Formats: sequence, structure tokens, C-alpha cells
Amino acid sequence: DTEVTQTPKHLVMGMTNKKSLKCEQHMGHRAMYWYKQKAKKPPELMFVYSYEKLSINESVPSRFSPECPNSSLLNLHLHALQPEDSALYLCASSQENVPYGYTFGSGTRLTVV
Amino acid sequence: KQEVTQIPAALSVPEGENLVLNCSFTDSAIYNLQWFRQDPGKGLTSLLLIQSSQREQTSGRLNASLDKSSGRSTLYIAASQPGDSATYLCAVSYNQGGKLIFGQGTELSVKP
Repeated sequence: DTEVTQTPKHLVMGMTNKKSLKCEQHMGHRAMYWYKQKAKKPPELMFVYSYEKLSINESVPSRFSPECPNSSLLNLHLHALQPEDSALYLCASSQENVPYGYTFGSGTRLTVV
Repeated sequence: KQEVTQIPAALSVPEGENLVLNCSFTDSAIYNLQWFRQDPGKGLTSLLLIQSSQREQTSGRLNASLDKSSGRSTLYIAASQPGDSATYLCAVSYNQGGKLIFGQGTELSVKP
């Protein structure tokens, strides 16, 4: 299995809702990432988990809350989002200490209304 | 500041042409460089990974080169096809398990 699977593919939520994005990989990768991508822009890093511990937080607002329950799963909990948070959210994984590349999921298209 | 630049921003070519996409990076101490393809509204598909010790990588009609000393990489696409139409992103990392720094991408359109 050489995939990163993200669910849901599309999500529409109100500004008072609480929702979660999920990401799963079974490649044995020990680093997992959340990226945010706005239209016509490159992906921007949000969070990095290394061996299930948060290692990088790129000053992301607290309305985004990441969680790594185990080495295969990565969640992004969303609460009180703003319309400007509408974007494509991409999950990625990579192997630690081995110079392999990054594998990305197909993303969750989030719309905040 | 570590930055990645891609030129051109957009490119339109007739089917069958060979083409070159360019990527430059300001800090040459990269760990590796990766080229991705992104179709509209979709995730990123990895095309080629070049480790810092390598000069080039090939996969089918694609060839990527790396010149660390000059801070440049090129992606060569041979005999382009309409199915190659997509945005191509270059990204560098400076350590394993760290941040990928992306260029702005080149939007490629191959006309039949």
C-alpha cells in the first residue's frame, strides 16, 4: 500500500460547526504533515508530526487542532473556522532518516460558509 | 531566506514538443528536491525525487536534473501529450522529516 488516504474528499461547514479531517497511511512512514493550499498557490505547511509527536507548528491559529492517535493516522480538528479558511487541505507522509520523498493524499476540499 | 522560484509561470505548447521547466532555490544546502504534478482540484503526485548527491533522475518521458552549486533544477518532458497538462511544482527540503518549500508552480497546457 503506497497511498495516503484522506477523508472526506469534500466538506462544507458553518462557522460554528466542529468537524474533523482524517488522514491514513500504511507505508510505515513516521513523519506526517498537514498542508493548506489556496487556489493558484503552492501548498503551505501547517503541522509536522514526527514519531507521533508534534514537531513543527507553523503558527497556525488555534481553531485548527492536529492530533496523531497512532503512527498511521493523522487528524485535523476544525472549530469556529472563518470563510478565509476555505482551501484544499493536504496530508502527506515521509520516511524518517531515509532520503525518500514525500507522498501526498488527494486532499479535502473545505468550504466554510 | 529559503525561497524557490519556478519559471515560466505558465506555458502552452503544441502536442509533441519537448519542453523544459525551470526551478531555482536560494539556499543550495538542500537535502533533496522533488517534482510534483497537480491536476486542478486534486492532490500532488510525485514525479521525481533527486537526492542532494545525485545529478539527475529519469522516469519514462521525464528527466530531472539538479545543479546544487548554481541552485537550479530542470524538468525535461519529452514528446509532450495533452494528458501532460497540469501544474508542475518543484519543492526542496533541507532535512528529512522537515518542511517542503514549494515554488509557485508552472501551469502547463499541451494543445492537441
